[in-house]
Amino acid sequence: AQTVTQSQPEMSVQEAETVTLSCTYDTSESDYYLFWYKQPPSRQMILVIRQEAYKQQNATENRFSVNFQKAAKSFSLKISDSQLGDAAMYFCAYRSHELIQGAQKLVFGQGTRLTINP
Amino acid sequence: EAGVAQSPRYKIIEKRQSVAFWCNPISGHATLYWYQQILGQGPKLLIQFQNNGVVDDSQLPKDRFSAERLKGVDSTLKIQPAKLEDSAVYLCASSLGSGGNYEQYFGPGTRLTVT
Repeated sequence: AQTVTQSQPEMSVQEAETVTLSCTYDTSESDYYLFWYKQPPSRQMILVIRQEAYKQQNATENRFSVNFQKAAKSFSLKISDSQLGDAAMYFCAYRSHELIQGAQKLVFGQGTRLTINP
Repeated sequence: EAGVAQSPRYKIIEKRQSVAFWCNPISGHATLYWYQQILGQGPKLLIQFQNNGVVDDSQLPKDRFSAERLKGVDSTLKIQPAKLEDSAVYLCASSLGSGGNYEQYFGPGTRLTVT
């Protein structure tokens, strides 16, 4: 079974600076998807960025980018020019490419709470 | 476009009581998921529907949890009887399809407290 590990329970950063959140995962599959989700306090979870394992190029979405190291099974999220609205829980998640039963669920890490200091 | 709707937003019950949660997915989304998020942890899938059929319920405690998705639209998740360890946020999500390339959209969740 796949597992996702986020080793940083909490992180903080000064507004306008850059922060990197870490994520590692374990799988025997060669094709899969990786995600970063943001969950603001008392608000719903939204997708921040997605990476397809067969793509070597790292995904970027405006101020958000990832460093995907497939051999190391590492998937970190970099937030540039941090803003107060970035404060939230961030979850790393894995999803198999397989369509067989039981393989389609998102497997989440434990989350990292990000605080932005003004 | 309306998002995933859930109700109630909060529920407090005593152990051994029953409770039901409701989810209305985004219109046209064939796949619906129920996740359990215990405080301090990431969400864990309880059950996945494709239209009105169950695709994955391997992590659903079937002795006390049940779920249905009649007519392939709305869904209800029931707990009977509740235990203290069921205290969690229950998240509903939906997607157009079940493949990994389909984004899952999450509702605001129902926070359950069992006393």
